[in-house]
Amino acid sequence: QKEVEQNSGPLSVPEGAIASLNCTYSDRGSQSFFWYRQYSGKSPELIMFIYSNGDKEDGRFTAQLNKASQYVSLLIRDSQPSDSATYLCAVTTSGTYKYIFGTGTRLKVLA
Amino acid sequence: SAVISQKPSRDICQRGTSLTIQCQVDSQVTMMFWYRQQPGQSLTLIATANQGSEATYESGFVIDKFPISRPNLTFSTLTVSNMSPEDSSIYLCSVSGGSTEAFFGQGTRLTVV
Repeated sequence: QKEVEQNSGPLSVPEGAIASLNCTYSDRGSQSFFWYRQYSGKSPELIMFIYSNGDKEDGRFTAQLNKASQYVSLLIRDSQPSDSATYLCAVTTSGTYKYIFGTGTRLKVLA
Repeated sequence: SAVISQKPSRDICQRGTSLTIQCQVDSQVTMMFWYRQQPGQSLTLIATANQGSEATYESGFVIDKFPISRPNLTFSTLTVSNMSPEDSSIYLCSVSGGSTEAFFGQGTRLTVV
C-alpha cells in the first residue's frame, strides 16, 4: 500500500524561529510532491510543489526533496503565529493523477 | 488556477437520508476528484469523476454508497446515500492537472444525527 507519513505533532516553535516539517513516502515511483496548509475548518491551500531532488525556495518557505531517501521536507523561516495550521504532504505517482496525502503535522507558532 | 464552488458548505442530516453535494469549476477540467476528511484525519480519495463514463472508486468506497455524476467538464456531484453517523465528515471536491497542483473547493461539512 502506498503511504505518506508525517509526524502528527503538534510541533511548537517560537515566533521568528525555523519550523521544519518532514514527510516520508513509500512509493519509489512518486514523482511530484506537494505541501498544503490547512487552517482549521478550511480546505487545503497549496504552499509549494517540488519535482526534482534538492531545494526549492519561495519566500519564507523551502521545500527539500531527497528521492533516494524517499523524504521531503518543508522549512518555514521566520515563523509567524499566522503560520499555525496543519501542513499536509501529498505525492503523486507517474501515470496517475491521484494525490496521496499524509496525515498532516500540526504546527503551533508561539508569540 | 481554478476556482471551485462547492455547495452546500455544511448540512446536518438525519440518518438514513441522502445528501447531494455539488461542485462547479470555472473552467473545463479533465479530472475531478472527491475526497473525504474525517475529523482529525487527512484526506482520503473517494473516487475520480470521469466525464462521459462511470466514476472510478478507491478501495473501500462503492458506487451504491457514493454515486457520482459528471455531466460535463465543469460540474460534478457526489451523493452520500443512506447516511449514518460514521459518514459525518468534510467532503472536498478537487481538480488537478496531474503533476500540477490540486485545487480544492471550500468543502462540505456533513453532520449525520
